[in-house]
Amino acid sequence: AQSVTQLDSQVPVFEEAPVELRCNYSSSVSVYLFWYVQYPNQGLQLLLKYLSGSTLVKSINGFEAEFNKSQTSFHLRKPSVHISDTAEYFCAVSVRSGGYQKVTFGTGTKLQVIP
Amino acid sequence: SAVISQKPSRDICQRGTSLTIQCQVDSQVTMMFWYRQQPGQSLTLIATANQGSEATYESGFVIDKFPISRPNLTFSTLTVSNMSPEDSSIYLCSVEGARGNYGYTFGSGTRLTVV
Repeated sequence: AQSVTQLDSQVPVFEEAPVELRCNYSSSVSVYLFWYVQYPNQGLQLLLKYLSGSTLVKSINGFEAEFNKSQTSFHLRKPSVHISDTAEYFCAVSVRSGGYQKVTFGTGTKLQVIP
Repeated sequence: SAVISQKPSRDICQRGTSLTIQCQVDSQVTMMFWYRQQPGQSLTLIATANQGSEATYESGFVIDKFPISRPNLTFSTLTVSNMSPEDSSIYLCSVEGARGNYGYTFGSGTRLTVV
């Protein structure tokens, strides 16, 4: 079975400062990796994903994440955060099981951007 | 990606009653998924709903408590039965991305408070 660990439950950061949200996973088989974002009172939105190929993946709003197989990590980074980035971020892994992706979510990291 | 309409967006219910949550997808999908997000926690998969067959429930969830209907390829309902305050959570439906476009799309969620 796979598992996801997000060690930081909350990360406060000043506006325009860089941020890193950490994610580590464990799995005995190959996985796909995802970051989802949940804005207040909304559902989850897919932010970015790693399926294969280049280990560095980027979103359209400036976030990026790097898959590190040796460290089993998929940390999310942004060089300069904006107030609108305030949200909860969930790391997730999936494996193919029974004809569909079986997804396991981390416990989430609340990013609070301080003006 | 698919667009999901989920309702109600929130409700306050008396203990012992039941609430039915509806999810409508703008395209035909084989499988729909129902998640629970308890306060301050991550998402937990309740069940997988495949059109034309019984839903498959995860460990800790039973059909009597969370009956699911899947009458066609674009619609599903989840009922939370005989509610108690412990059922206060956000409930989300989700569909898998199209083949080659991995990653789930989520509804906006139903915020349920049981009093």
